[in-house]
Amino acid sequence: EIVLTQSPATLSLSPGERATLSCRASQSIRRYLAWYQQKPGQAPRLLIYDASSRATGIPARFSGSGSGTDFTLTISSLEPEDFAVYYCQQRSDWPLTFGPGSKVDIK
Amino acid sequence: EVQLLESGGGLVQPGGSLRLSCAASGFSFSTYGMSWVRQAPGKGLEWVSGISHTGSATYYADSAKGRFTISRDNSKNTLYLQMNSLRAEDTAIYYCAKDLGATGSYWGHWGQGALVTVSS
Repeated sequence: EIVLTQSPATLSLSPGERATLSCRASQSIRRYLAWYQQKPGQAPRLLIYDASSRATGIPARFSGSGSGTDFTLTISSLEPEDFAVYYCQQRSDWPLTFGPGSKVDIK
Repeated sequence: EVQLLESGGGLVQPGGSLRLSCAASGFSFSTYGMSWVRQAPGKGLEWVSGISHTGSATYYADSAKGRFTISRDNSKNTLYLQMNSLRAEDTAIYYCAKDLGATGSYWGHWGQGALVTVSS
């Protein structure tokens, strides 16, 4: 099973600041990685797939990069609605797995 | 507009069974793979099971293997998850999710979730 680890567990920032979240895979997953955002009481929302492709309707302030085992989600300038939990997920191999999540909260 | 509507959740005793359904609309259901993803209270996301667009291929997390069965009826645009031998640790919100492609991918659309509580 491919294990995904995310860091930091919690990131405390102010609106307008840049957020950088990391996801590391236990083995190479090429570029088969997605990022999701989840707010309390809501289903997850797909932000990025295949490491760097933005999903439909996702603002340009969200960007993804990386390949192999190391990936990054960057939010260039935090908006109030961006404070949430972010999960990475791999589709390189079965079983599909998620990382434990990184929470971005308001400083 | 893509809509996924789960039903069938509820309270069940340990060792019991439950069948979840997910009614899909707004897209060509038979073209896309589907999955079930769950989230225990206060915890992260866990993929449970996936099925190819035709239903010919199914996949399970180790936690679901041998106890859960995923299936689909493309004539009814409905996805199912039969859950047997339920345990307390199966307590979670179960989301139905639509793949971006034909199978085993990412999920661009999610249902609102069905709560399953396993307790005596």
